[in-house]
Amino acid sequence: AQSVSQHNHHVILSEAASLELGCNYSYGGTVNLFWYVQYPGQHLQLLLKYFSGDPLVKGIKGFEAEFIKSKFSFNLRKPSVQWSDTAEYFCAVTNAGGGNKLTFGTGTQLKVEL
Amino acid sequence: EAGVAQSPRYKIIEKRQSVAFWCNPISGHATLYWYQQILGQGPKLLIQFQNNGVVDDSQLPKDRFSAERLKGVDSTLKIQPAKLEDSAVYLCASSGREGSTDTQYFGPGTRLTVL
Repeated sequence: AQSVSQHNHHVILSEAASLELGCNYSYGGTVNLFWYVQYPGQHLQLLLKYFSGDPLVKGIKGFEAEFIKSKFSFNLRKPSVQWSDTAEYFCAVTNAGGGNKLTFGTGTQLKVEL
Repeated sequence: EAGVAQSPRYKIIEKRQSVAFWCNPISGHATLYWYQQILGQGPKLLIQFQNNGVVDDSQLPKDRFSAERLKGVDSTLKIQPAKLEDSAVYLCASSGREGSTDTQYFGPGTRLTVL
């Protein structure tokens, strides 16, 4: 069975600091990778996704993620965070070629301070 | 485009009572999902429908949970009887297709508290 690990449960940053959130998955086959975000009081929404091709994926609001197959990782990055990035971030994976069942990590709560 | 709608948004019940949640997916989306998100954890898939047929219900506790999707549109998830450990947010999502690359769009969720 596939699983997803997010190592940072809570992260606190000052505005303009750089962000990197770790995500590792365990699955021997081909996967599709996602980052979802949940802003306070809002529902889960897609931030970015990787299926194939260029391993550096750009998403909304200046976020990007890099797929490193050899490390089974899909880390999320942003060069300069804003107060409005305060949210919970979830890494998720689906099994390529199978159904569309998302397996989520436990999430990282990011707080950006002014 | 209207998003995924869920109701109620909050529900408080006592253990052993029954409860039902409703979901209306994005218009035209063939695939519908129910996830359970326990506090401090990521969402976990309970059941996936393709039109009105079940694709995956391997993680649905079938002794107490049931779900249906009549006419391939709206869906209802029921818990009977509820246990304390069922306290969670129940998320509904939909996607246009079943394929593993298809984006899932989530509703606001129903927060269930079992006392």
